[in-house]
Amino acid sequence: LAKTTQPISMDSYEGQEVNITCSHNNIATNDYITWYQQFPSQGPRFIIQGYKTKVTNEVASLFIPADRKSSTLSLPRVSLSDTAVYYCLVGPFPGGGNKLTFGTGTQLKVEL
Amino acid sequence: NAGVTQTPKFQVLKTGQSMTLQCAQDMNHEYMSWYRQDPGMGLRLIHYSVGAGITDQGEVPNGYNVSRSTTEDFPLRLLSAAPSQTSVYFCASSPPSGTSGGAFTDTQYFGPGTRLTVL
Repeated sequence: LAKTTQPISMDSYEGQEVNITCSHNNIATNDYITWYQQFPSQGPRFIIQGYKTKVTNEVASLFIPADRKSSTLSLPRVSLSDTAVYYCLVGPFPGGGNKLTFGTGTQLKVEL
Repeated sequence: NAGVTQTPKFQVLKTGQSMTLQCAQDMNHEYMSWYRQDPGMGLRLIHYSVGAGITDQGEVPNGYNVSRSTTEDFPLRLLSAAPSQTSVYFCASSPPSGTSGGAFTDTQYFGPGTRLTVL
């Protein structure tokens, strides 16, 4: 099972770009990388998912180097409402089931 | 669509009591899971199901039972509640694995959670 390592916390200011890097050295060939966001007292919410290179949606971008041993979630121009915990998950497609581990995530705090 | 619903939102039990946490989804998702989240921790998988009639254990299954008689419902049963089961419980569901817009999708949709306290 691929283990992920993320920073415990990060601080930023409104309007800045935030990059959160996740390390997953033993990622398997059929593993995908997925990021979730969780606000206090709510369930996690899917942000973005990718396999290699770069993926972009209306919320974030995900950069994955060729060796896939790490990935970087990029949040452009953060606001106070982006303050949340961000989880990096690595698991096989499809389903994943008990192979998905959330870990403790990265607590992002955005200030004025 | 209501998405994933969980009841109750809050529950207080005494040690040794039993109860069932309800989870339902109206999106026709094959995949459903139960997680627990303790303060300052990530989510840990308790049980999951890949379809009606099929369930399997996750990382922390002890003390919990599940069944999946329909696609929509996935109840979690606490047989004899213990203080160590005080936690927030999240139910999640996933659509049939496939593609959307040319990209693979494997998204879990989470319910609002049930906050359980065992005295």
